[in-house]
Amino acid sequence: GAVVSQHPSRVICKSGTSVKIECRSLDFQATTMFWYRQFPKKSLMLMATSNEGSKATYEQGVEKDKFLINHASLTLSTLTVTSAHPEDSSFYICSARGQSDTQYFGPGTRLTVL
Amino acid sequence: AQTVTQSQPEMSVQEAETVTLSCTYDTSESDYYLFWYKQPPSRQMILVIRQEAYKQQNATENRFSVNFQKAAKSFSLKISDSQLGDAAMYFCAYRSNFGNEKLTFGTGTRLTIIP
Repeated sequence: GAVVSQHPSRVICKSGTSVKIECRSLDFQATTMFWYRQFPKKSLMLMATSNEGSKATYEQGVEKDKFLINHASLTLSTLTVTSAHPEDSSFYICSARGQSDTQYFGPGTRLTVL
Repeated sequence: AQTVTQSQPEMSVQEAETVTLSCTYDTSESDYYLFWYKQPPSRQMILVIRQEAYKQQNATENRFSVNFQKAAKSFSLKISDSQLGDAAMYFCAYRSNFGNEKLTFGTGTRLTIIP
């Protein structure tokens, strides 16, 4: 149980384009989902917290208009990186929390912006 | 704000031996959760063990156990009978039980298993 998937696992895009990453909880309903960014050999940095049906709460320093988060259902959240630039290249990880107090993580998405 | 400190960037242990990874945290709260997550080369974050602060008993999951010292704000992870598959980055994380559900992570410890 408690499986979280992410799609795609890797994406390469051109500078200026937008990229959407999906995060799904496969066997539980996720009341809250979280989006993290991880730089090489670094820890996870929380970008935003999203609750189903409401606007995401962004961490300080994270641009809301650049990183659009939608949590339309209890099993799906999406992160859209708008007008991506090379500095947005990173590893993006989502996690989901259901009724328990534990966050379960997706396998991550490696984004490369050329 | 809460902070989590992992003072050992790298550790190594001989296969079948025991290793302890350190974690300290800073908080003014009394009710919270602590976690150890493992991130192998696949980069999938895997929950290893969790501890609820109001429970005095140390959590145990098979070969993994913690030494939770609430007064000292210390939460170390002991891995017994180390196996090659234990090689990974290990992150300690804190979560408040009030309002904000976000996890605060430490900087991680890279564990190498020596065959």
